[in-house]
Amino acid sequence: ETGVTQTPRHLVMGMTNKKSLKCEQHLGHNAMYWYKQSAKKPLELMFVYSLEERVENNSVPSRFSPECPNSSHLFLHLHTLQPEDSALYLCASSQGQGHNQPQHFGDGTRLSIL
Amino acid sequence: QKEVEQDPGPLSVPEGAIVSLNCTYSNSAFQYFMWYRQYSRKGPELLMYTYSSGNKEDGRFTAQVDKSSKYISLFIRDSQPSDSATYLCAMQGYSSASKIIFGSGTRLSIRP
Repeated sequence: ETGVTQTPRHLVMGMTNKKSLKCEQHLGHNAMYWYKQSAKKPLELMFVYSLEERVENNSVPSRFSPECPNSSHLFLHLHTLQPEDSALYLCASSQGQGHNQPQHFGDGTRLSIL
Repeated sequence: QKEVEQDPGPLSVPEGAIVSLNCTYSNSAFQYFMWYRQYSRKGPELLMYTYSSGNKEDGRFTAQVDKSSKYISLFIRDSQPSDSATYLCAMQGYSSASKIIFGSGTRLSIRP
């Protein structure tokens, strides 16, 4: 596999469920990101990990919990979500966070909260 | 006022036309400017990356930055149906720790 792979592609869950989104990058990058994309809104940065350490938490509610066990894998653990959390969740990776280090995106997980 | 403004469209043009996509921004600290293309059910992919003012050309695509007007453009020449996608502008400040700020995207449709 190449690039950035996200699973599952689609997820429907109730507000009381617990689920996890998975992201894997095969690019040898050392920075990984979670973004939220809602209809007609800009991408919202949620979390940034660099060298497996969280370097940014963009005021995200605690019902979203990220985990980065190694530089190739990133998870987003979900619990007690709200209907407004329905969105496309995108993972990205880059070689460092510097300029001229473009972010490569996965195809996202489409999340629907019932 | 949003930091980055982008007309959501949709924009529909005939095949072969020149397409102009634009964004305006309010933060004069932005130094790096990007355009991403996002096909339906896919993640964004980086199309163009420019630093400061000026033009950059890559095949049928030209990115233009006017920092004095806080205005960036993406031109697509000889547009093809395969160019139909949502185009996101994005920008970043000088510090490498600066977040990338995205526009909300313009949906483009090229009619055969």
